[in-house]
Amino acid sequence: DQQVKQNSPSLSVQEGRISILNCDYTNSMFDYFLWYKKYPAEGPTFLISISSIKDKNEDGRFTVFLNKSAKHLSLHIVPSQPGDSAVYFCAASAEGTYKYIFGTGTRLKVLA
Amino acid sequence: NAGVTQTPKFQVLKTGQSMTLQCAQDMNHNSMYWYRQDPGMGLRLIYYSASEGTTDKGEVPNGYNVSRLNKREFSLRLESAAPSQTSVYFCASSTPRRGSNQPQHFGDGTRLSIL
Repeated sequence: DQQVKQNSPSLSVQEGRISILNCDYTNSMFDYFLWYKKYPAEGPTFLISISSIKDKNEDGRFTVFLNKSAKHLSLHIVPSQPGDSAVYFCAASAEGTYKYIFGTGTRLKVLA
Repeated sequence: NAGVTQTPKFQVLKTGQSMTLQCAQDMNHNSMYWYRQDPGMGLRLIYYSASEGTTDKGEVPNGYNVSRLNKREFSLRLESAAPSQTSVYFCASSTPRRGSNQPQHFGDGTRLSIL
């Protein structure tokens, strides 16, 4: 049973436009959500996170939105740059646990 | 600052051979993790160690064992490798605090092929 789902395996966006990556979860106990970015032959690197007490968190060009009632979060990248081309993973955890559950990833390609 | 270091980076094994993947972190993190990444499957947790002296199973622990040697080091052992264990293995560490989770820091992975 996939508790964290990224239903779009890939996404292509023109440089300068907005990229929107989506993630859905099923476990209502999840209260901390993260986005990671992964380049080929490297480990994932942390990008941005959000706690369930918030519905939005911004860091430069990256914004994460959380809709708890829909159990849905999204990552917005504005403006998209060719260097943003990578695989993006969302992950979730519940307070008091030490485990993070990852989605299957979305491959973003930003076209110059 | 090296962060999380995994060795080796690549390895080819024959079915039935044993192997230990090494991981060390220099960030004084309490928790360490082993994941495997397979195409279309994302990152799946194999084992984790919440703190020195403890280990727990993750989503896919069968066929693996782990050792938390000290606060810095967390190794993953394949006792009898099988082709289904061909994957990219990632080690990660973090410092979870009560009431506040923290992001994980990952190594660059070990690419393991089992023939």
